[in-house]
Amino acid sequence: GENVEQHPSTLSVQEGDSAVIKCTYSDSASNYFPWYKQELGKGPQLIIDIRSNVGEKKDQRIAVTLNKTAKHFSLHITETQPEDSAVYFCAATWSTSGSARQLTFGSGTQLTVLP
Amino acid sequence: GAGVSQSPSNKVTEKGKDVELRCDPISGHTALYWYRQRLGQGLEFLIYFQGNSAPDKSGLPSDRFSAERTGESVSTLTIQRTQQEDSAVYLCASSLRRIEETQYFGPGTRLLVL
Repeated sequence: GENVEQHPSTLSVQEGDSAVIKCTYSDSASNYFPWYKQELGKGPQLIIDIRSNVGEKKDQRIAVTLNKTAKHFSLHITETQPEDSAVYFCAATWSTSGSARQLTFGSGTQLTVLP
Repeated sequence: GAGVSQSPSNKVTEKGKDVELRCDPISGHTALYWYRQRLGQGLEFLIYFQGNSAPDKSGLPSDRFSAERTGESVSTLTIQRTQQEDSAVYLCASSLRRIEETQYFGPGTRLLVL
């Protein structure tokens, strides 16, 4: 099955700096990679995702990059703000028109943005 | 509109008792998922319902765990003869149809087994 490793487990940055979280996956068939943000006491919320037919995707201050050859993908948050403080999870799966495998999640990164 | 709701929000039980957790997905979402999140860890897939298809139970950790879904609406996750290692947050999510579409999560049920 799929194995997703996520680093670092904790990350502290100064407000306004950038934050980068990295994930590696084991199954070369994986083709869908979402990122979720989980605030304290709440369920995870999708913030961005990428499919294997592109190498990068941006949404305002958030971007995700994918390197299929190396089997790793990263979340980049620029101009960090205190409200970015949360736990971030990466995940991976494969899907076709007829079937899909369940999401495999990384172990999470606790991001703290210091004012 | 209403999101995914779960009840109860917190549950404390004694070892050996049965518990039932409820999930109300977003209306119109045919896919429903249950996950377990142990303290400080990622999400573990438990079970997946999609329309009228047979559920994917491949993530259930033991036969003490079971789940049902009524049509394309409410789902219940039952844990029989609870053990202390069952203590975790149980999260429910729903998506419109497929696994690789956005999964919307509920706030979770925090289960503590004493």
